[in-house]
Amino acid sequence: SAVISQKPSRDICQRGTSLTIQCQVDSQVTMMFWYRQQPGQSLTLIATANQGSEATYESGFVIDKFPISRPNLTFSTLTVSNMSPEDSSIYLCSVLQGDQPQHFGDGTRLSIL
Amino acid sequence: KQEVTQIPAALSVPEGENLVLNCSFTDSAIYNLQWFRQDPGKGLTSLLLIQSSQREQTSGRLNASLDKSSGRSTLYIAASQPGDSATYLCAVCTGTYKYIFGTGTRLKVLA
Repeated sequence: SAVISQKPSRDICQRGTSLTIQCQVDSQVTMMFWYRQQPGQSLTLIATANQGSEATYESGFVIDKFPISRPNLTFSTLTVSNMSPEDSSIYLCSVLQGDQPQHFGDGTRLSIL
Repeated sequence: KQEVTQIPAALSVPEGENLVLNCSFTDSAIYNLQWFRQDPGKGLTSLLLIQSSQREQTSGRLNASLDKSSGRSTLYIAASQPGDSATYLCAVCTGTYKYIFGTGTRLKVLA
């Protein structure tokens, strides 16, 4: 199964700043996703990261707030822009290859002061 | 709109008990269903994946079943251990590779 490295593992940020989260996979994968897990909640899909083109965002999420890049089949970034306390969450990268189980990184725990 | 619900929300059992976690979904048109484990502050670990054409999957002390027509899946854990304490999440794949997650069951196994 794919090994996923996510950086940073955690961060504490000031209100109004932006943070970029990196997701690196040890093999080429077809699909990469970004999820958010708010405190005490389950996971919500933010967007599908498309290689070489704009990400596909779910309802309630917009590119200006969560810009995503995927320059190749093993790497993606998610930026959380103009952060507010409501953005305090765990952000998780996941990958999917064919009929294999979906695999997740360890997540980035983000706290906004 | 697909909705996934897990019952119970929390469960506390003594070590050695067999237990069942339930997952229900509103739209039976799923591609597959996956059970995950999440330890506090950590990412998700995949436990079992059941394709839509399958009825169950087994791995060690874990057995997951799927009944698409009734919109239900169960995760059976045999002879529970304190190390099984975690949050268990089920997720259904809608066929466009998007996973909809359930609300989770927080399990605590007491030594």
